[in-house]
Amino acid sequence: EVQLVESGGVVVQPGGSLRLSCAASGFTFDDYAMHWVRQAPGKGLEWVSLISWDGGSTYYADSVKGRFTISRDNSKNSLYLQMNSLRAEDTALYYCAKDIGYSGATPTHLDYWGQGTLVTVSS
Amino acid sequence: DIQMTQSPSSLSASVGDRVTITCQASQDISNYLNWYQQKPGKAPKLLIYDASNLETGVPSRFSGSGSGTDFTFTISSLQPEDIATYYCQQYDNLQYTFGQGTKLEIK
Repeated sequence: EVQLVESGGVVVQPGGSLRLSCAASGFTFDDYAMHWVRQAPGKGLEWVSLISWDGGSTYYADSVKGRFTISRDNSKNSLYLQMNSLRAEDTALYYCAKDIGYSGATPTHLDYWGQGTLVTVSS
Repeated sequence: DIQMTQSPSSLSASVGDRVTITCQASQDISNYLNWYQQKPGKAPKLLIYDASNLETGVPSRFSGSGSGTDFTFTISSLQPEDIATYYCQQYDNLQYTFGQGTKLEIK
């Protein structure tokens, strides 16, 4: 059974930093691209970032480019999101999600999601 | 960046009704369009991928169609457990965009 468990969400002050983690199990982690998607309270879904199966390629939404860094450690079956220069508008539930894209295939859709970790940016 | 316009934003229907949600892309995305269901307090769930392909295990009352810029998601006979918010999502050039969502309620 595929499981994705996010952690690291806390209350942080504007301008602060935070690192989210996602522990993956139930599939061969290093075969698949992975995403971060967020959802502000009461709002819709917003794609944040994508990392290729080997960590060699990363992609970001314009809203987080230059502030957030996605990474992975395939030896630990873990995905990360380093979040710097946090703003109030970054307040959201952050989901990690597995892509259907296998190995070098183009990532296209998100077939498994975690339950999310809540990040609150507030003074 | 490609924008996705989803409509309606909310919808009330009766059990057994046929329900249709539309999603329009700001430019041609071929069939690079997926649909997700999100129940309250839960993570999203993939229902339809590549515009019209039913994800494994998803009931056949759910379907999708369209290509280019105009897409449709249909529930052929609404069931009480279908109460949720539904999102379209496009993928193009390794950028991903969700529609604003459609909140579906039982009348």
